[in-house]
Amino acid sequence: DGGITQSPKYLFRKEGQNVTLSCEQNLNHDAMYWYRQDPGQGLRLIYYSQIVNDFQKGDIAEGYSVSREKKESFPLTVTSAQKNPTAFYLCASSIGGTSGGRGYNEQFFGPGTRLTVL
Amino acid sequence: AQSVSQHNHHVILSEAASLELGCNYSYGGTVNLFWYVQYPGQHLQLLLKYFSGDPLVKGIKGFEAEFIKSKFSFNLRKPSVQWSDTAEYFCAVSPVSGGYNKLIFGAGTRLAVHP
Repeated sequence: DGGITQSPKYLFRKEGQNVTLSCEQNLNHDAMYWYRQDPGQGLRLIYYSQIVNDFQKGDIAEGYSVSREKKESFPLTVTSAQKNPTAFYLCASSIGGTSGGRGYNEQFFGPGTRLTVL
Repeated sequence: AQSVSQHNHHVILSEAASLELGCNYSYGGTVNLFWYVQYPGQHLQLLLKYFSGDPLVKGIKGFEAEFIKSKFSFNLRKPSVQWSDTAEYFCAVSPVSGGYNKLIFGAGTRLAVHP
């Protein structure tokens, strides 16, 4: 059963602690993405990776870090430097990471992780 | 900066009412356009998309959207909503720039359909 899994579903963290959110896909997709969803703000891109061992900052990368050591995995670390980490985090993947010409590679989304900082 | 605006944050309808959700974007170049839906407790999923050709596109579950280039709009419509359409709807734009697979989302519209 192909898809994207994120774990855990709910995560609680104390202020000042780093926490890592897991994202795994078995779709054989090259590209993976992390978004943050806040009420009334839609989804905002944190980081993306077009290929293994490569990743780029998105629009709101401050206070976050990622790694892409394996094609199927793209973990996100929310560091203590992130000023407002409480949010819903969504991971996505697509076949390719570039949109040449008229092309676009559909992004498929995971179920999300809701992070709450206490 | 590129942005997507959704005019209504919350919409409440009765079953069988017609639905139209507004979406406008700011980008002068060629774009691909999307509507995503997030049902309660479920993954974000693609409802419909426009790449080129007929500006009226049909998606799943009876939804359709019309691309009006002159107005930079991509409004979502459904003639008769059902209780099961209760969800959050996101308009998204992907600039065709030859760069990475960028997707810019609107703030979302929460639709509640009452029986």
